[in-house]
Amino acid sequence: QSALTQPASVSGSPGQSITISCTGTTSDIGGYNYVSWYQQHPGKVPKLMVYDVSNRPSGVSNRFSGSRSGNTASLTISGLQAEDEADYYCSSYTSTNTLVFGGGTKVTVL
Amino acid sequence: QVTLRESGPALVKPTQTLTLTCSFSGFSLNTRGMCLNWIRQPPGKALEWLARIDWDDDKYYSTSLRTRLTISKDTSRNQVVLTMTNMDPVDTATYYCARMAYDSSGYYPTYFDYWGQGILVTVSS
Repeated sequence: QSALTQPASVSGSPGQSITISCTGTTSDIGGYNYVSWYQQHPGKVPKLMVYDVSNRPSGVSNRFSGSRSGNTASLTISGLQAEDEADYYCSSYTSTNTLVFGGGTKVTVL
Repeated sequence: QVTLRESGPALVKPTQTLTLTCSFSGFSLNTRGMCLNWIRQPPGKALEWLARIDWDDDKYYSTSLRTRLTISKDTSRNQVVLTMTNMDPVDTATYYCARMAYDSSGYYPTYFDYWGQGILVTVSS
């Protein structure tokens, strides 16, 4: 199972919106509604930000939103804030009943 | 309150077998739809899913590491154990256990909702 493809880095100024893409195949992202996104600050444990493509857990800011088009999922952060600077990972269920992560995207707030 | 904690050696030698234990509380792996995963992260690199064990004792492994991994559970002690054979310096990583629940249909595991703090394992002679 190959890792999902994410851009290595994305940057934006405070207040702007940015979008992180996560590209897979019909055997993972495109085939199931089980894409999730995680935020990880340096030295910290990953934190669930979006699940089932577009749902937000309780307590996660509504500035974070998820979507999917075909084999590509996306995480959009609107109203970018300094605290959003972190690494972000997508994950998906796969047709072999396993899980797969993306390579991670470093978000920089300029 | 759900908690998970990884334990095991911080240092192993090349070719040795690594044994990690995830001790958890606040839920039961006897509960239908519950499962527990192992995930690792080499320093400065991405997360990598390793293995999953389900409430019904079904087990699933990363394709690339399948021959080296074994996952098992002891529900009476609320523990899940991962063994990885033939350790190599490239296996140096922080190893996490993470809980996951199946969806309402009971067919698909969904997302990692609770994570342990992780344990850094270094492979070096």
